[in-house]
Amino acid sequence: QSALTQPASVSGSPGQSITISCTGTSSDIGGYNFVSWYQQHPGKAPKLMIYEVNNRPSGVSNRFSGSKSGNTASLTISGLQAEDEADYYCGSYRSSDTLVVFGGGTKLTVL
Amino acid sequence: QVQLQQSGPGLVKPSQTLSLTCAISGDSVSNNNAAWTWIRQSPSRGLEWLGRTYSRSTWRTDYAVSVESRITIKPDTSKNQFSLQLNSVTPEDTAVYYCARGSSWDLNYWGQGTLVTVSS
Repeated sequence: QSALTQPASVSGSPGQSITISCTGTSSDIGGYNFVSWYQQHPGKAPKLMIYEVNNRPSGVSNRFSGSKSGNTASLTISGLQAEDEADYYCGSYRSSDTLVVFGGGTKLTVL
Repeated sequence: QVQLQQSGPGLVKPSQTLSLTCAISGDSVSNNNAAWTWIRQSPSRGLEWLGRTYSRSTWRTDYAVSVESRITIKPDTSKNQFSLQLNSVTPEDTAVYYCARGSSWDLNYWGQGTLVTVSS
């Protein structure tokens, strides 16, 4: 069982918006602004899409945005495209012996 | 552009040591703003952060408590790379291992991944 909780799957049609949630505790998401989101296509390494809750690395589309409320972080993808179909993982700093924890991943299907 | 190239065996026998290396181009392992990290991914355990090494005037390491007694992550400044050693492996250590460059607590560049199978 992963430290952070994500839905197993979400889906949407091209052009729509979807949101993926990631729930933790006050020791990780709720206590710090060190939430990251990663996109992973099959057989590839994860790619950083959002860091420190709502910041996009250079080169990442502005269709991707992040937010946080309490112990839950969210990733929103607007204007869905076929290439967005992938697994998405959240990650967070945790003030414990683990230091960094991840969610179990959410499979995004673009219908 | 930072690139990370992993190398190491894909098959390790139980009780032996898993050893992987991550060669860095486009950055320096001594960069005071970076942290050089190992992560693994398996169907049973998902993504698991293992530890990191970084230079902040002196070299430091942080390890996940789940592997703390078995893991060593070391920089090699002469070759601009860093390594992972995991001792006393069991089949539960079978996973795809990734090296990554972090800044703060995110991981902004990743290696290609190495599938390591623990089996006799």
